[in-house]
Amino acid sequence: AQKVTQAQTEISVVEKEDVTLDCVYETRDTTYYLFWYKQPPSGELVFLIRRNSFDEQNEISGRYSWNFQKSTSSFNFTITASQVVDSAVYFCALSEAEAAGNKLTFGGGTRVLVKP
Amino acid sequence: GAGVSQSPRYKVTKRGQDVALRCDPISGHVSLYWYRQALGQGPEFLTYFNYEAQQDKSGLPNDRFSAERPEGSISTLTIQRTEQRDSAMYRCASSLSPGASYNEQFFGPGTRLTVL
Repeated sequence: AQKVTQAQTEISVVEKEDVTLDCVYETRDTTYYLFWYKQPPSGELVFLIRRNSFDEQNEISGRYSWNFQKSTSSFNFTITASQVVDSAVYFCALSEAEAAGNKLTFGGGTRVLVKP
Repeated sequence: GAGVSQSPRYKVTKRGQDVALRCDPISGHVSLYWYRQALGQGPEFLTYFNYEAQQDKSGLPNDRFSAERPEGSISTLTIQRTEQRDSAMYRCASSLSPGASYNEQFFGPGTRLTVL
C-alpha cells in the first residue's frame, strides 16, 4: 500500500531564509505521481506542483523548486527567500497510476511559520 | 471560472442526527473525490466518482457513510446517526479526466462538521 511520510511537523524561519520540506514515499507501482499542496491559514488546499515517476529532472518555478530522487523515494520541496505569505501547512501527496482512479495519499503535513 | 464549492461551510449537529454535505465540482470535471481531514492531519480518501458511477468507496469508514452523484455533477456525502468521532473537515475535489492519475485535483473549501 502507498504511504507518504513528512517527518517535519513544524519549521520556523525568518523571512528571506530558504526552507526545505522533506517528503518520503512508499509505493509498489512503477508509475506514480507526486504532488505538493499548500494549506494557508484560510484553510483551502491549493495545488502547487506535480511530478511523474519517470521524470527525475528537478525544476525551479519562481521561488519554488523540488528535488525528486527515486533512489531514496524522496520528493523534497524548497521555498527560496521565504515570505510571510508562505506561512502555511504543506502536504506531499502520492497517486498510483495502476490503482483504480487517482486517489491521493497525503502525508501528515509540515507547518511552515515565516517570521518577519 | 468558478472553483469547487461546498455547502454548508460549517455544520454543527447533535450526535445521532443525519447530515448531508454537498459538493459542486468545477464545470466539466468528470472525476469527483471526497476526503476527510482530521485536525492536524492530512486528508484521507473516502470515495470517488467518474461521472455518476461510484468507482471506489474503500475509504468510507463504515456503512453510516454514503455518497451519490446522480447526474454526474453535484455530489452529496451523507452521514447517518452521526457520532462525535465523525467531527472533521470534509473536503471535495474534482479533476478533469476520469481516473487519470496525472491530473491534479482541485479542492473545495471544505465543510467543517462538528458533532456534539
